[in-house]
Amino acid sequence: GAGVSQSPSNKVTEKGKDVELRCDPISGHTALYWYRQSLGQGLEFLIYFQGNSAPDKSGLPSDRFSAERTGGSVSTLTIQRTQQEDSAVYLCASSFAGTSGAYNEQFFGPGTRLTVL
Amino acid sequence: AQSVTQLDSHVSVSEGTPVLLRCNYSSSYSPSLFWYVQHPNKGLQLLLKYTSAATLVKGINGFEAEFKKSETSFHLTKPSAHMSDAAEYFCVVSAAYQAGTALIFGKGTTLSVSS
Repeated sequence: GAGVSQSPSNKVTEKGKDVELRCDPISGHTALYWYRQSLGQGLEFLIYFQGNSAPDKSGLPSDRFSAERTGGSVSTLTIQRTQQEDSAVYLCASSFAGTSGAYNEQFFGPGTRLTVL
Repeated sequence: AQSVTQLDSHVSVSEGTPVLLRCNYSSSYSPSLFWYVQHPNKGLQLLLKYTSAATLVKGINGFEAEFKKSETSFHLTKPSAHMSDAAEYFCVVSAAYQAGTALIFGKGTTLSVSS
């Protein structure tokens, strides 16, 4: 079956421009996560969606970052007024979130490599 | 709060020799622990997971890890390294009490395998 897909695979933009990154989770997965992988910072959690609940935005580094998930499926991560420090690989993951106490294996997409010039 | 510490940023082994990648965790709750692998220019792949069942967990490609609560460790091992094992390895913790909680990643260990 299809895994998590992300687009674009690579994005080069100029400082100050806005960018949108897309994630298509595995069908039926109710939980969706965004992470950022950058040199020196490792892998950082950004935001988490679970069903129709309000998203957990605790990992977003600034108010220039936002994300939405439409219809409980596709998600878009938007970075406004990009800065050079935003350059990183942005990873999306999805999981089936069952009852409380159940572990949640997350399946990762290939990532979008963002370069801000 | 949960956290993981990978004790080595880089490990080098010869092909055919054992692999040991060390990880210590901290968790206020009964944790779920994972090892993920990332090959160059590839996505993250789950190697194995511990979810409060057997403490010795077997994963793909001959890797295994042992959960030791007394030592708060979850080291990854493999009896005999192969060239294709060269990659970045991440030890990961998730709070088992709360479905859908974000994963907390260690800084990663780069494994190099020489012939």
